[in-house]
Amino acid sequence: AQKITQTQPGMFVQEKEAVTLDCTYDTSDQSYGLFWYKQPSSGEMIFLIYQGSYDEQNATEGRYSLNFQKARKSANLVISASQLGDSAMYFCAMRGGNTGGFKTIFGAGTRLFVKA
Amino acid sequence: KAGVTQTPRYLIKTRGQQVTLSCSPISGHRSVSWYQQTPGQGLQFLFEYFSETQRNKGNFPGRFSGRQFSNSRSEMNVSTLELGDSALYLCASSVRRLQETQYFGPGTRLLVL
Repeated sequence: AQKITQTQPGMFVQEKEAVTLDCTYDTSDQSYGLFWYKQPSSGEMIFLIYQGSYDEQNATEGRYSLNFQKARKSANLVISASQLGDSAMYFCAMRGGNTGGFKTIFGAGTRLFVKA
Repeated sequence: KAGVTQTPRYLIKTRGQQVTLSCSPISGHRSVSWYQQTPGQGLQFLFEYFSETQRNKGNFPGRFSGRQFSNSRSEMNVSTLELGDSALYLCASSVRRLQETQYFGPGTRLLVL
């Protein structure tokens, strides 16, 4: 069965510092995509970054980078130079192939608080 | 390019009523998925439509149904509403299915009284 685990219910970070949000996954698919989404209090899910299972380099998008360690089945999100606007819920997600029915599954989320 | 739109944004219903939610995907996106989000259960997959066919369904009762039209717009229907159906319903679209990034709409907040 496919599963996403986020073990940090809440995290605090000082403004301008970097923070790492943990994510581990489990799947029997060989081909899959890993994603991070941000959900502010408004409720909308905002796509941040994508990593394909065959990508050899870690994905980066501005201040976001994904630390992909395939053998360990981890896909941690690193936010550099945190800003107050980064305070939100963050979800790690995976979308696989036939085994997972192509549906996206989500972790429980990590709530990030950025302190001024 | 316009994002995913969902209507209505907020809805209040009473137990036993039915409700229809609408989702318009990003132009060119053929896959539309629906998710229910509650504080207790988190994000749960409802179903996915691709090319007007339901391709996958989550573990929800038959009161939850959906459809997709030829222009890829999708609707979901919940009949005989229960208090536990109160949730944020999110729609997401993608071009294809395998590994594809899904882009989400703003959601519909449903409150069942």
